[in-house]
Amino acid sequence: LAKTTQPISMDSYEGQEVNITCSHNNIATNDYITWYQQFPSQGPRFIIQGYKTKVTNEVASLFIPADRKSSTLSLPRVSLSDTAVYYCLVGDMDTGFQKLVFGTGTRLLVSP
Amino acid sequence: EAGVAQSPRYKIIEKRQSVAFWCNPISGHATLYWYQQILGQGPKLLIQFQNNGVVDDSQLPKDRFSAERLKGVDSTLKIQPAKLEDSAVYLCASSLRAGVYEQYFGPGTRLTVT
Repeated sequence: LAKTTQPISMDSYEGQEVNITCSHNNIATNDYITWYQQFPSQGPRFIIQGYKTKVTNEVASLFIPADRKSSTLSLPRVSLSDTAVYYCLVGDMDTGFQKLVFGTGTRLLVSP
Repeated sequence: EAGVAQSPRYKIIEKRQSVAFWCNPISGHATLYWYQQILGQGPKLLIQFQNNGVVDDSQLPKDRFSAERLKGVDSTLKIQPAKLEDSAVYLCASSLRAGVYEQYFGPGTRLTVT
């Protein structure tokens, strides 16, 4: 499993765009990049997943450069309710019993 | 669609006592997971079931932890006897099948061992 490195914490204000970068230098060819969000007193929630280039859904965008050694989760126009911990995970989708390995995540604090 | 259900939500016990947690996954989800999340850390996988069979329990402290998933639906996780370091949130998650990264988590059970 590729190890990931992400900032421990980030601060932002309402209405701003937030970009959280995750480093995964040892990513393997079959690995996908997945992001989860966790609010206090709740279990993690899947946000987005990608393999290369850019993926966008109703919640976020995921940018992955050509070398795939890093990825950036972009949250447009954050609100107070986006205050949460964000986890970057890397793993092989082709392995039948691949498990999620969570790091300590990035704690995002959005202020008024 | 109903989410993953867990009970109880909170539990306080003394060390050396036993405790059990219950999980009901999303209907139709073949894979069920139990995670332990210690304060300030990310969740750590304890055990993974595919239907009613165990496919990964490499990080389960088998001398005190046990889990079962009878009939491939509900699951229980037991700790006996509990230690102070078992204080954590125990999360249950399920997914449609193994190897799928979109797992659905329950609200967790917060265990405090005194």
